[in-house]
Amino acid sequence: AQTVTQSQPEMSVQEAETVTLSCTYDTSESDYYLFWYKQPPSRQMILVIRQEAYKQQNATENRFSVNFQKAAKSFSLKISDSQLGDAAMYFCAYRSIQRDKIIFGKGTRLHILP
Amino acid sequence: IAGITQAPTSQILAAGRRMTLRCTQDMRHNAMYWYRQDLGLGLRLIHYSNTAGTTGKGEVPDGYSVSRANTDDFPLTLASAVPSQTSVYFCASSAEGSYNSPLHFGNGTRLTVT
Repeated sequence: AQTVTQSQPEMSVQEAETVTLSCTYDTSESDYYLFWYKQPPSRQMILVIRQEAYKQQNATENRFSVNFQKAAKSFSLKISDSQLGDAAMYFCAYRSIQRDKIIFGKGTRLHILP
Repeated sequence: IAGITQAPTSQILAAGRRMTLRCTQDMRHNAMYWYRQDLGLGLRLIHYSNTAGTTGKGEVPDGYSVSRANTDDFPLTLASAVPSQTSVYFCASSAEGSYNSPLHFGNGTRLTVT
């Protein structure tokens, strides 16, 4: 069974600085998809970025980018120029192609220091 | 506005009572999911449905049941609520067969079982 691990329960970063949230996963599959979701205090779940495992190029979305290391089964999220609105819980998620289920990590709570 | 509607937003329920959490989507997504979110445990899959008429068990199905009579509705029922079912419940959907399709989430139901 696939698992997703987020080893940092909480992190803090100064406003305008860069922060990296880590995520590792365990799978025997060669093809799959990875996602980062953001959950602000409003409780809403918001897609931040997605990555296809067959693509070597790292995905980017404005200030958000990933470092996808397939061999190491690592999928970290980098937030550049951190803003107060980035404060949230961040979840890493794995989606199998063979089984239509999405598995989440336990989350990392990110604090932005003004 | 297209999306997922969950009801109620919050509920306090006496142990032993029966409760149905409602979920409706208008995006014509085939796949639907129920997750529970607990502090320190992230999101855990309760039940899922890949298409109308079919359902499957997730990671934590005990004490819960679902039905999928049509594409739009996916209610979650607690037959006899227990305090350990106190949680925030999220309904989600995605386009079946499109594995890079992210989950679309409802705004959640906060359930307290006393």
